[in-house]
Amino acid sequence: DSGVTQTPKHLITATGQRVTLRCSPRSGDLSVYWYQQSLDQGLQFLIQYYNGEERAKGNILERFSAQQFPDLHSELNLSSLELGDSALYFCASSGPHGGGRFAEQFFGPGTRLTVL
Amino acid sequence: QQQVKQSPQSLIVQKGGIPIINCAYENTAFDYFPWYQQFPGKGPALLIAIRPDVSEKKEGRFTISFNKSAKQFSLHIMDSQPGDSATYFCAATDSWGKFQFGAGTQVVVTP
Repeated sequence: DSGVTQTPKHLITATGQRVTLRCSPRSGDLSVYWYQQSLDQGLQFLIQYYNGEERAKGNILERFSAQQFPDLHSELNLSSLELGDSALYFCASSGPHGGGRFAEQFFGPGTRLTVL
Repeated sequence: QQQVKQSPQSLIVQKGGIPIINCAYENTAFDYFPWYQQFPGKGPALLIAIRPDVSEKKEGRFTISFNKSAKQFSLHIMDSQPGDSATYFCAATDSWGKFQFGAGTQVVVTP
């Protein structure tokens, strides 16, 4: 158990809908990362937050947005969902010392999103 | 486009063998190269990482070899065990903190 929690574990929704995925980092970690893992695209880095502020941005679509709250939990919002958004979404956390890119990231168990 | 190219896609070795996974990159701004191990149904976990100022790093039975001039790096699993059966991802990042991952290699170690 990495100490990172993600909810829900599974999510099934329809095209065009909007969903919110939630992540609670390990106690004391200030950085949160979001990743998408699909069969055809592999593991893709989406975005990183550090202590509430966006730190790095990867291949995140404009239909997707994220935020990190004062209690350090994070949410990934996916809107106007398409079939191709079906994937495993992982959250990872690192820190507490600056959460720099050399810090080990601890991954949560993931949320499996299925768009029908 | 895949900024980090990983091969092979899958690998089967017998217990005690040495699976070798190779990765290549183009972006010379990459300066940190972690490897992740992922078991079915679990999130990836950091295995070992290297920076380009060293050519080799060992942690237990896992070794990274790094060739800066060739822009290649590889993971060797010494004395592999059935418990090492997993998917392995190489990755790279630069000072902007954007992580690029290889496509993954599924390793199966037979008893």
